[in-house]
Amino acid sequence: AQSVTQLDSQVPVFEEAPVELRCNYSSSVSVYLFWYVQYPNQGLQLLLKYLSGSTLVESINGFEAEFNKSQTSFHLRKPSVHISDTAEYFCAVSDTGGFKTIFGAGTRLFVKA
Amino acid sequence: ETGVTQTPRHLVMGMTNKKSLKCEQHLGHNAMYWYKQSAKKPLELMFVYSLEERVENNSVPSRFSPECPNSSHLFLHLHTLQPEDSALYLCASSQNQGVTGELFFGEGSRLTVL
Repeated sequence: AQSVTQLDSQVPVFEEAPVELRCNYSSSVSVYLFWYVQYPNQGLQLLLKYLSGSTLVESINGFEAEFNKSQTSFHLRKPSVHISDTAEYFCAVSDTGGFKTIFGAGTRLFVKA
Repeated sequence: ETGVTQTPRHLVMGMTNKKSLKCEQHLGHNAMYWYKQSAKKPLELMFVYSLEERVENNSVPSRFSPECPNSSHLFLHLHTLQPEDSALYLCASSQNQGVTGELFFGEGSRLTVL
């Protein structure tokens, strides 16, 4: 069985500061890893994903995440956040052939001016 | 219309009512999903349909009844719900039967059970 743990339920940070949202997973099989973002009153949108290859993946809006197999982690980072990054971020894991995507409980990022 | 569309966006119902949530995807995907999002809890996978056949049912109470008449439409029929069923219900779709696992979500239907 797979599981996802997001270690922080809320992360307040000042604008232009760096941020890291932590995610650990457990799985007995190979997995794909994802970060989704949910803005208020909206559904989830894919932010970035790791399928294979380079362990560092990037999004178009400056976020990056690094797959660390030995530590079973997929932490999300951004060197300088904006007010518009305020949202809830979900880490997710999917096995490589099935339909079941398992989500973490989410981390609410609150960017303050 | 593009992407995944859910209607209604908001629904209030009594415990004896019968209502339905509708989801339509315009992405040409062949798998569709229902997730339940409750406050401070991980998203819960409820049902998965692949090529219009149900392939996942995560021990969901029978008061929730899914229907997938074709690859573009998914319904969630609701009857005799409980107040703890109040939540945001999210529909999602994916292509290639989960080869990459990427999900495309609708904006959700906010359900309140009185």
